[in-house]
Amino acid sequence: DQQVKQNSPSLSVQEGRISILNCDYTNSMFDYFLWYKKYPAEGPTFLISISSIKDKNEDGRFTVFLNKSAKHLSLHIVPSQPGDSAVYFCAAHKNTNAGKSTFGDGTTLTVKP
Amino acid sequence: ETGVTQSPTHLIKTRGQQVTLRCSSQSGHNTVSWYQQALGQGPQFIFQYYREEENGRGNFPPRFSGLQFPNYSSELNVNALELDDSALYLCASSLLTGASTDTQYFGPGTRLTVL
Repeated sequence: DQQVKQNSPSLSVQEGRISILNCDYTNSMFDYFLWYKKYPAEGPTFLISISSIKDKNEDGRFTVFLNKSAKHLSLHIVPSQPGDSAVYFCAAHKNTNAGKSTFGDGTTLTVKP
Repeated sequence: ETGVTQSPTHLIKTRGQQVTLRCSSQSGHNTVSWYQQALGQGPQFIFQYYREEENGRGNFPPRFSGLQFPNYSSELNVNALELDDSALYLCASSLLTGASTDTQYFGPGTRLTVL
């Protein structure tokens, strides 16, 4: 039973355009949702998070949207840059303990110059 | 401020053997979590240690065990290795306060291959 799902294994966009990465979850007990970015040979790096009491959080070029009724969240990157090319993981956890996160299987984003 | 480090980088073992992986937490952090990432999948939570005590465990058998030391470095031990244990093992440290959500910082991982 995979509680966090990223249904698109890969996404390719042109530099300067918007990248939209999607994530669905099944556990309504999750309190926080996060996005991580992972480059080859490195560990995941925290990108942005959102609390379950909010529906939007923005940080520079990155915005995360949460639709609790649909149990769906998305990460928008605009404008996309070649350096954004990486694997993006969606994750979720209960309470404030991010160290017990449940991860999706990731989406590989390729931004073409 | 040093980041999270892990050793070794790569490791090859034979089925049935035992392995110990090591993690040095980021300075000031009191919590370490271990994850297993199989090829093509996301990290899967193994267990967490908070102030040297186990603080939660995922769906992994008892042959996966751990330790956290007073300096908050940590070890992951796996006994009776199986072929399916081949994966990238990630550790992540954080400062657990309970007051607000913490952020975990990952090491680069140890790639374990079981033959």
